[in-house]
Amino acid sequence: GAVVSQHPSRVICKSGTSVKIECRSLDFQATTMFWYRQFPKKSLMLMATSNEGSKATYEQGVEKDKFLINHASLTLSTLTVTSAHPEDSSFYICSARPLAGGPYGELFFGEGSRLTVL
Amino acid sequence: GQQLNQSPQSMFIQEGEDVSMNCTSSSIFNTWLWYKQEPGEGPVLLIALYKAGELTSNGRLTAQFGITRKDSFLNISASIPSDVGIYFCAGQLTGNQFYFGTGTSLTVIP
Repeated sequence: GAVVSQHPSRVICKSGTSVKIECRSLDFQATTMFWYRQFPKKSLMLMATSNEGSKATYEQGVEKDKFLINHASLTLSTLTVTSAHPEDSSFYICSARPLAGGPYGELFFGEGSRLTVL
Repeated sequence: GQQLNQSPQSMFIQEGEDVSMNCTSSSIFNTWLWYKQEPGEGPVLLIALYKAGELTSNGRLTAQFGITRKDSFLNISASIPSDVGIYFCAGQLTGNQFYFGTGTSLTVIP
């Protein structure tokens, strides 16, 4: 159990277009999901905390108008990279923590989405 | 955001050797998690620790939650080639506050 799925796993887009990445918890519910960005051989950098039914909480330095997050249900959060530029190319990963795990529980990650902006 | 101090940064070992890595922080954590990440994939949870002093095993992996709650270590015994990857620790302060280590890159030489 506790599977988190991301789609697409790889996406290539032209500069100036928008790209949507989905994160789904397949067998559990999560009021909170997290979005990370990871550069090659680096650790995960938290971008924002996605809250079901309310606005996302963004980390300092992350442009909320650039990285739109929607958490429409207890099993789905989406990250939209708007007006993408080559510097947005990166590996984006989501994670979620099962509601049933209580306040201190395990965090499960999606497979990641590789975005390449030409 | 905050990051945990994880060491060593990288390791090159012979197959069959044991591996040890650790994470330290100035903050007290309620939970420690250890993950393995392979290229192009998301991190996979290896071990979760919930109590200070707790020692937990998962096959050849053993991890401990430090008594001070500010550190944790992960040991891998009798390493094999498929252990190759980047290992991350993660500490949880409260419900939604997770902080990640800088990662330990493990290379196993057959």
